[in-house]
Amino acid sequence: SQQGEEDPQALSIQEGENATMNCSYKTSINNLQWYRQNSGRGLVHLILIRSNEREKHSGRLRVTLDTSKKSSSLLITASRAADTASYFCATDARRVNSGGSNYKLTFGKGTLLTVNP
Amino acid sequence: AAGVIQSPRHLIKEKRETATLKCYPIPRHDTVYWYQQGPGQDPQFLISFYEKMQSDKGSIPDRFSAQQFSDYHSELNMSSLELGDSALYFCASSFRLGIQETQYFGPGTRLLVL
Repeated sequence: SQQGEEDPQALSIQEGENATMNCSYKTSINNLQWYRQNSGRGLVHLILIRSNEREKHSGRLRVTLDTSKKSSSLLITASRAADTASYFCATDARRVNSGGSNYKLTFGKGTLLTVNP
Repeated sequence: AAGVIQSPRHLIKEKRETATLKCYPIPRHDTVYWYQQGPGQDPQFLISFYEKMQSDKGSIPDRFSAQQFSDYHSELNMSSLELGDSALYFCASSFRLGIQETQYFGPGTRLLVL
C-alpha cells in the first residue's frame, strides 16, 4: 500500500530560488529517506532522518520531520539547473527477523523538480 | 568508491520468455533489495535477502524468483514475461547498522517486454 505521498507532484522554479517538497506518510516509521532520480536513471540517496530527529542539514539540503503530523519536507536552497530531477521520500518498514532486522523502503510518488536557468 | 553493479543495463525480451537480472552489492554489504519501477511510477519493493536468506517479500509475482549467493550477489529470475513487466528494476544494498540503514541503489536494469 502507498506509504508516502508527495506534494507537489511537479515544481518549476528559476535558478537561485529555493525549492520545497513535502511528503506525508501513514504508518509509524523508523526513519525517512530522500532520494533523487534523474530521468530514467538510478536513485541517489540524499539524506536520512531518524524518527527521533526533527531537522537535518546536508549542504544545500534541509530536511524536517514531524512525526505527529506524519510529514516531512525537503528544502533545496539556491537551486541550480543541475538539481532538475525527481525527488522521492521513502520510509522504512521494520521487520525483525531472527538474527537481525531488515528495512524495506516504501516510496512516495515523487516530485518532479525543474530548475530553469 | 565501489557502487552497486547491475547487469545487464538494458534487456529486450518477448512475451513468455525468461529473463535473469544480476546484482552485485557494495563490498561488505550483507543485505540486497530488489525494486520495480514502472513508467512514471514510484519504486515498489519486490524482495530482499539478508545473509543469503530471504528476509522480506513484497509485491513480487509468483513468476519471479530470486536468490542471494555465497558471494552476496543476487539474481532475479523472471519467467513467462508479460508486457506489464516492462519496467526499471533496481537492486539496492546495505549493511546492517543497528537502528538505521541507508540503502544504496544500483543504476537499474531497464527491461522491455515486446
